[in-house]
Amino acid sequence: SAVISQKPSRDICQRGTSLTIQCQVDSQVTMMFWYRQQPGQSLTLIATANQGSEATYESGFVIDKFPISRPNLTFSTLTVSNLSPEDSSIYLCSVGGLVVEQFFGPGTRLTVL
Amino acid sequence: AQSVTQLGSHVSVSEGALVLLRCNYSSSVPPYLFWYVQYPNQGLQLLLKYTTGATLVKGINGFEAEFKKSETSFHLTKPSAHMSDAAEYFCAVSDGAGRRALTFGSGTRLQVQP
Repeated sequence: SAVISQKPSRDICQRGTSLTIQCQVDSQVTMMFWYRQQPGQSLTLIATANQGSEATYESGFVIDKFPISRPNLTFSTLTVSNLSPEDSSIYLCSVGGLVVEQFFGPGTRLTVL
Repeated sequence: AQSVTQLGSHVSVSEGALVLLRCNYSSSVPPYLFWYVQYPNQGLQLLLKYTTGATLVKGINGFEAEFKKSETSFHLTKPSAHMSDAAEYFCAVSDGAGRRALTFGSGTRLQVQP
C-alpha cells in the first residue's frame, strides 16, 4: 500500500482567501483523486488528477473554484479558492492505479471564518 | 451510474455482540465493492474489497463481507465487537476497470457499548 501525506493537516482561513493543499505519495501512482467530506457527511469526489493531462471534474465542481495541479507521479495540489464558510470540510486525496482499491491520505481539515 | 445505500446511520452494539452493517449498491457494470473505516480525525483505511471470485471476503480486524449479486448487497459483519471497532464505516463502489473513482455510501457510525 502507498503512504500518503497531506499538508496542512488543518487550517483556519478567512472568507475570500484561498488554501492550497498538498498531497505527497511515497511511490509513483497513475491516478490521484481529491474528495471532499463535509461535516457529518460522506465523501464526494471533486476531481481525478492524472499526470500529464488536465484534471477531470465531477458535476458541481469547477476548475476556477478547485484548481488542481499534478506535476509528477508522486505529487498533487488542490486549491480551494475564494473561500466561504460552506467550504469548511475535510479534503482528502487518494491514490489508485495498478490495484483496484484506493489509499487515502489523512485529510486536511479546513475551517472558514 | 452507480450508487450506494447504507441502511442505518448509527448502529449500537454491546461488546462481544455481532456487528452487521448493511450496504446495497446499484451499478450498471460488474462492481468492485469496498468497505472503509474512518477513526476520529483520521483518513480512511481499507477494511476489505470484492472484485471477482469468492463472494465471501475477509478483511482486517476480523471483519468480513459477502457479495450477493441477487440482492445487490455487500453487508459487513464481525462475529464479536470490540471497543476499538467504534468508528465510521463507509461502503463504496467503483466501476472496476474504468475510471476507478469511488462512490461512497452515507456512512454508518458504529458504537460499541461496554
